[in-house]
Amino acid sequence: NAGVTQTPKFRILKIGQSMTLQCTQDMNHNYMYWYRQDPGMGLKLIYYSVGAGITDKGEVPNGYNVSRSTTEDFPLRLELAAPSQTSVYFCASSRIDRFEWGRNTEAFFGQGTRLTVV
Amino acid sequence: AQKVTQAQTEISVVEKEDVTLDCVYETRDTTYYLFWYKQPPSGELVFLIRRNSFDEQNEISGRYSWNFQKSTSSFNFTITASQVVDSAVYFCALSEVNDYKLSFGAGTTVTVRA
Repeated sequence: NAGVTQTPKFRILKIGQSMTLQCTQDMNHNYMYWYRQDPGMGLKLIYYSVGAGITDKGEVPNGYNVSRSTTEDFPLRLELAAPSQTSVYFCASSRIDRFEWGRNTEAFFGQGTRLTVV
Repeated sequence: AQKVTQAQTEISVVEKEDVTLDCVYETRDTTYYLFWYKQPPSGELVFLIRRNSFDEQNEISGRYSWNFQKSTSSFNFTITASQVVDSAVYFCALSEVNDYKLSFGAGTTVTVRA
């Protein structure tokens, strides 16, 4: 059972470079999320999606972009990497049914991507 | 405004002691979920428990138990007879029915010494 898969696990970027963090889930979950975790801190929401074609900003969206062309995939794009984006990035997914409360699941998380911008 | 507050930054105990982690949340919704996640030193996030706002019944699952009190907006979590493998960062999280985004607390680092 794959669950939520993130790639790469580690990456070092130079200031100004761009990259895409990949996230895919095989549980047919409608909701997907990107969080970042700075050292010693909790998780902050960057972007989330309630379904294919629909995305919205979280707490800390600046410097990032997302797209959701399929249910399975939710890539996170960094256009101009900055040292402040050095962090661990987590992708997550969950099933949310606004009408069937009991069918909602918890969020399942990927293994994380450790990104360093130098 | 911070929606989830974990006032305890670090807790250190000796093996077999009980550990209680505090969580206070803030929401205007009457319908919401509360969660506890564990992050061991390896870094992954492991789901532990979930509670919805309509169910204040406190339960025990193995060595884990939780105390949910809507009157004080608290969702505390207890590990009974702690073990070294319980050493991790524990996060409390809130999901509100309006948007289902997970808001995390800052986490409590638990160290269990042999």
